[in-house]
Amino acid sequence: QVQLVQSGAEVKKPGASVKVSCKASGYTFTSYGISWVRQAPGQGLEWMGWISAYNGNTNYAQKLQGRVTMTTDTSTSTAYMELRSLRSDDTAVYYCARGIPPFDYWGQGTLVTVSS
Amino acid sequence: DIQMTQSPSSLSASVGDRVTITCRASQGISNSLAWYQQKPGKAPKLLLYAASRLESGVPSRFSGSGSGTDYTLTISSLQPEDFATYYCQQYYSTPPMYTFGQGTKLEIK
Repeated sequence: QVQLVQSGAEVKKPGASVKVSCKASGYTFTSYGISWVRQAPGQGLEWMGWISAYNGNTNYAQKLQGRVTMTTDTSTSTAYMELRSLRSDDTAVYYCARGIPPFDYWGQGTLVTVSS
Repeated sequence: DIQMTQSPSSLSASVGDRVTITCRASQGISNSLAWYQQKPGKAPKLLLYAASRLESGVPSRFSGSGSGTDYTLTISSLQPEDFATYYCQQYYSTPPMYTFGQGTKLEIK
């Protein structure tokens, strides 16, 4: 069965970076991309971007351009999302999801807390 | 960017009620619309895609319709497990910018 398993919760200081992983199983990793979606506490869903697991092509949300990098490791079927220059408003649960929408499979979410 | 506006933002209803949630896009999205259900502390769950196609395993009391800029999610007879927050998402944009609506919280009356 398809599974996306994300890394554990992180606490970071403002200005730091965080790298969240998403390990895929149960399907051919390179046949789909991985999207990232975040959700601030009590808020709605925000699409962050997408990476092709086939060729590494990326599309990022404009507001995150320059601060976010998405990568994949096809040898371990793992996708990564790195967010730099963290601010308090980056505090959120970060989800990975399979492919481009519609998102049929999601990771369990990773809470990233940015606090001094 | 395509903006998605959901209404209402919250809704109180009773078990057995029929409810409708609407989603309006700032431009036509050619039925490139998905609906998700999210319960507290959980990842969203895909309910419908292509505006009206039911995801495998989703109960038939959920249905979707619409075209152009206006879309609706209907739950024909609310069950206790349906009380959750619902989001629409467009996936029409090129280059990709797959925006979500702001969500509709469905609460028990």
